[in-house]
Amino acid sequence: AQSVTQPDIHITVSEGASLELRCNYSYGATPYLFWYVQSPGQGLQLLLKYFSGDTLVQGIKGFEAEFKRSQSSFNLRKPSVHWSDAAEYFCAVGALSGTASKLTFGTGTRLQVTL
Amino acid sequence: NAGVTQTPKFQVLKTGQSMTLQCAQDMNHEYMSWYRQDPGMGLRLIHYSVGAGITDQGEVPNGYNVSRSTTEDFPLRLLSAAPSQTSVYFCASRRDPQSTQYFGPGTRLLVL
Repeated sequence: AQSVTQPDIHITVSEGASLELRCNYSYGATPYLFWYVQSPGQGLQLLLKYFSGDTLVQGIKGFEAEFKRSQSSFNLRKPSVHWSDAAEYFCAVGALSGTASKLTFGTGTRLQVTL
Repeated sequence: NAGVTQTPKFQVLKTGQSMTLQCAQDMNHEYMSWYRQDPGMGLRLIHYSVGAGITDQGEVPNGYNVSRSTTEDFPLRLLSAAPSQTSVYFCASRRDPQSTQYFGPGTRLLVL
């Protein structure tokens, strides 16, 4: 069964500082990996996704993530955080197995940005 | 395109009542899913569908039923509401497993 672990429940960074949110996954084959962001009271928006090829993927809003198969990780990074990045971030792993295709989410990391 | 729409936005139920949460998408997506979001637990998959007439259970299906008679609609039914079903419910759709999954705005449900 596929699963996702986001070990950091809550992270606080200063505006302008760099950010790294951790994500570890468990899946038997090559995974499809996603990062979503949720602003307070809103739905989820896709930041970026990885299926194959280049292990460093670029997303919207200046975010990037790196797939490391040896570490089963897909960490999200941003070089300089803006106050508007304060939100909850979810990592997700997708399965492709006929009718068993589904997306499994981690428990999320809440990002607070201090000015 | 309206994207993924959900109704109602907010609902209060008494224990034992039934209701249907509506979800519709106008993007002709085959894959649709229902999630519930609870504090500290992320999004948990309730039921999903890979096309009209095809549904399957997710992680937390108990107490919920779904059907998919058309590509556009994927209603979620609570047959006998319980306080443990108090949550925020999100419907989502995507074209295929590699595509972006689009989420609806959510339905906030309170069961007393």
